[in-house]
Amino acid sequence: DTEVTQTPKHLVMGMTNKKSLKCEQHMGHRAMYWYKQKAKKPPELMFVYSYEKLSINESVPSRFSPECPNSSLLNLHLHALQPEDSALYLCASSQPTSGRAKSLFFGPGTRLTVL
Amino acid sequence: GQQLNQSPQSMFIQEGEDVSMNCTSSSIFNTWLWYKQDPGEGPVLLIALYKAGELTSNGRLTAQFGITRKDSFLNISASIPSDVGIYFCAGQSNTGGFKTIFGAGTRLFVKA
Repeated sequence: DTEVTQTPKHLVMGMTNKKSLKCEQHMGHRAMYWYKQKAKKPPELMFVYSYEKLSINESVPSRFSPECPNSSLLNLHLHALQPEDSALYLCASSQPTSGRAKSLFFGPGTRLTVL
Repeated sequence: GQQLNQSPQSMFIQEGEDVSMNCTSSSIFNTWLWYKQDPGEGPVLLIALYKAGELTSNGRLTAQFGITRKDSFLNISASIPSDVGIYFCAGQSNTGGFKTIFGAGTRLFVKA
C-alpha cells in the first residue's frame, strides 16, 4: 500500500469554528508532514513529526495545532482561522534515513475555505 | 536560505512534442525529486534521484541528477494531453534535515 489518505476532501468553516484534518498512511513511514499550498505556489512546510515526536514547527500560528496519535495517523486541529488561511492542506510521509526526509509521498489534500 | 530556480515557468506545446524543464541551485543537494500535480490534487512523485550523474526513466519521463549536484532536468517524450499539469522539482541536502526545498513549478499545457 503506497497511499496517503486525507479527510475531508473539502472543508468550509467559519472563523469561530473548530475542525480537524486527518491523515493516514500504511507504508510504515516514521516521518509525517503537514504542508500548506496556495494557488499556483509550491507547498510550504508547516510541521514535521519524526517517530511520533514534533521535529519541526515552521513558526506556524497557534491556531493550527498538530497531533500525531501513532505512527500511521496525523491530525491538524484548526481553531479561530482567518480567511487568508484558505488553502490546500497536504499531508506527506517519508521513511526518515539518518535524520533526513528521502522521498516524500503526498496525500490528495484537503481544500480548506475559511469564511 | 537554499533556493531552487525552476524553468521555464510555463510551456505551451503540441501533442507529440518532447518537453524539457530544469532546476538549478547555488547550493549542493543530495536528493532530487520530481513531482506532477493536477488541479486540486496532491503532488505525485514521478522520479527520485539519489546519486550525482544518475539518469532515471519512468515510462516517457527521464530525469538526471547533475554532476555538480546543483541541478537536475526532467524530459517528457512524445507528450500527450494527460501530461498537462504543474511539475515541481524538489531538493534535499544532508544539512537540511527533514526540509525539502521546492522549485516554483513549470505549468505544462498540451494542445491536442
